[in-house]
Amino acid sequence: NAGVTQTPKFRILKIGQSMTLQCTQDMNHNYMYWYRQDPGMGLKLIYYSVGAGITDKGEVPNGYNVSRSTTEDFPLRLELAAPSQTSVYFCASSSGTGHSPLHFGNGTRLTVT
Amino acid sequence: ILNVEQSPQSLHVQEGDSTNFTCSFPSSNFYALHWYRWETAKSPEALFVMTLNGDEKKKGRISATLNTKEGYSYLYIKGSQPEDSATYLCASTTSGTYKYIFGTGTRLKVLA
Repeated sequence: NAGVTQTPKFRILKIGQSMTLQCTQDMNHNYMYWYRQDPGMGLKLIYYSVGAGITDKGEVPNGYNVSRSTTEDFPLRLELAAPSQTSVYFCASSSGTGHSPLHFGNGTRLTVT
Repeated sequence: ILNVEQSPQSLHVQEGDSTNFTCSFPSSNFYALHWYRWETAKSPEALFVMTLNGDEKKKGRISATLNTKEGYSYLYIKGSQPEDSATYLCASTTSGTYKYIFGTGTRLKVLA
């Protein structure tokens, strides 16, 4: 029972580089989310998806892109990494509407220097 | 976008003390209020989901109440133990959207 799996766990990027944070879930959840955690700021929603082919912006989408070609996978793309994107990124999924709890991955710690 | 607020930001209590924290959220178009427990170096884990005004949930020594009319929820921990040390997050969802908007959390440290 893997749940929500994120890769990589750690990554260091240089300014201007690009990368994709991977997220996959094996619970057949339609709803998937990307959050970033900054000190003292809790979790901020970057993007979310309510099903394959459907994505929408959250609170802090600038500098990121997402796609949802399958139910299982929800990758987050950083095109031109900036120091402000240094953060811990969490992917989460839920089985239904806002009544269902979120299941989180273990996070990806990203440093941009 | 919702504005979910939590207080206090951090809290130190002695082992055996009881404590509580607050989560405030906009009451219009309310759908559900979630509480999560987040230990250092781990990912958040769901504690409670509450939907109805007056809801009360309990899990062991931890309980929560909900007031949707005035837009607040309380989380209570009875007889705090060192293993209760964690950040407690609340998140609100509203009708017609699928966004879970989180507060900044309350960081609890229980001193042995």
